[in-house]
Amino acid sequence: DADVTQTPRNRITKTGKRIMLECSQTKGHDRMYWYRQDPGLGLQLIYYSFDVKDINKGEISDGYSVSRQAQAKFSLSLESAIPNQTALYFCATSDGRLTGRDTQYFGPGTRLTVL
Amino acid sequence: GQQVMQIPQYQHVQEGEDFTTYCNSSTTLSNIQWYKQRPGGHPVFLIQLVKSGEVKKQKRLTFQFGEAKKNSSLHITATQTTDVGTYFCANMNTGFQKLVFGTGTRLLVSP
Repeated sequence: DADVTQTPRNRITKTGKRIMLECSQTKGHDRMYWYRQDPGLGLQLIYYSFDVKDINKGEISDGYSVSRQAQAKFSLSLESAIPNQTALYFCATSDGRLTGRDTQYFGPGTRLTVL
Repeated sequence: GQQVMQIPQYQHVQEGEDFTTYCNSSTTLSNIQWYKQRPGGHPVFLIQLVKSGEVKKQKRLTFQFGEAKKNSSLHITATQTTDVGTYFCANMNTGFQKLVFGTGTRLLVSP
């Protein structure tokens, strides 16, 4: 959806570099998520945030950090990129008001390659 | 943590054939959501099931939630090339904090 945007869409970087992936949304949702997708492994949750002051680790947070700058912005950083972090990264949002039933809206994804 | 297993991992059908993907859990699920990801695209929400035995239809797609709320299925009747993609099931975890995604079923449809 154009309501959730990610920048950059593609990035090639070298081992050891610091990388930031950005996500913005105009849906007015409180909840935002970062996922990683590897072939055959589905979507794995890296971090999630329920509001600006509430940030939580997901299943695979090691090597990653996040910042929730505003309700609409949620950034993912790789402090020192390594080749096995090469993957497709998705940001997602959800309303969160329908407890247990809210659905997620995904951005277009960022394809990251670490050489 | 809670795991949702999806089978098959991959299926290749001829256009017009039917297709089914299954989502199974060892524990009772609070709900099931289904998403579709086209090649090169992002996951898009299809439907949500919350009641035991629930069946919902969207044109050629039929979604079912098991009576025991431990499994779900997505059936596509008379597949079309536009059905190509990966179908994921997802379940809200016990604390209602996050979705846990299945590994997905990749569907390829040949004309």
